[in-house]
Amino acid sequence: EPEVTQTPSHQVTQMGQEVILRCVPISNHLYFYWYRQILGQKVEFLVSFYNNEISEKSEIFDDQFSVERPDGSNFTLKIRSTKLEDSAMYFCASSVALRDTQYFGPGTRLTVL
Amino acid sequence: RKEVEQDPGPFNVPEGATVAFNCTYSNSASQSFFWYRQDCRKEPKLLMSVYSSGNEDGRFTAQLNRASQYISLLIRDSKLSDSATYLCVVNRVDNNNDMRFGAGTRLTVKP
Repeated sequence: EPEVTQTPSHQVTQMGQEVILRCVPISNHLYFYWYRQILGQKVEFLVSFYNNEISEKSEIFDDQFSVERPDGSNFTLKIRSTKLEDSAMYFCASSVALRDTQYFGPGTRLTVL
Repeated sequence: RKEVEQDPGPFNVPEGATVAFNCTYSNSASQSFFWYRQDCRKEPKLLMSVYSSGNEDGRFTAQLNRASQYISLLIRDSKLSDSATYLCVVNRVDNNNDMRFGAGTRLTVKP
């Protein structure tokens, strides 16, 4: 069964450093998403991406965040200058169509020291 | 009012019990509804979509009441493996890509 994959599984970084989280969505999916989940809290929407551009972003997704689809398979989330409060699990998801079921990757645990 | 609200639990039930979870949502124009389950430190996994007519998948039954803006999940004959956090998920109509998650209801099934 096809699945969303994410790398790395765990990223530790120093405050102020840039990080890039990587995702490979399911191959025939057209919509891509990033979510985050701070430990013990709910899953929060960050951004959605379709047709090589951001289609929607939340108030969390500020200028420190960016997304990119550099080739036909990868979908990345970059955080330019990490803050302590960016420590969370970051989930990538993809779906075939609008409002369709979203399938989640296993997540990247980001720890900012 | 929160966009998606769930009773956080925890629900502690014996094996074989029937347990029901409720969820309310604030946007009356929302159109897509889902139940996901999340195991500790794992990704959310789709349990089932929720349709207006209600739907059943084995031991799981989901219901939608649009008038009351209320979604439910019923688990019959609960198993130890059902222990997880159950997430109610609703799409935002003003942005079709934007799914909003409830905080989840924690279920523990005990022998």
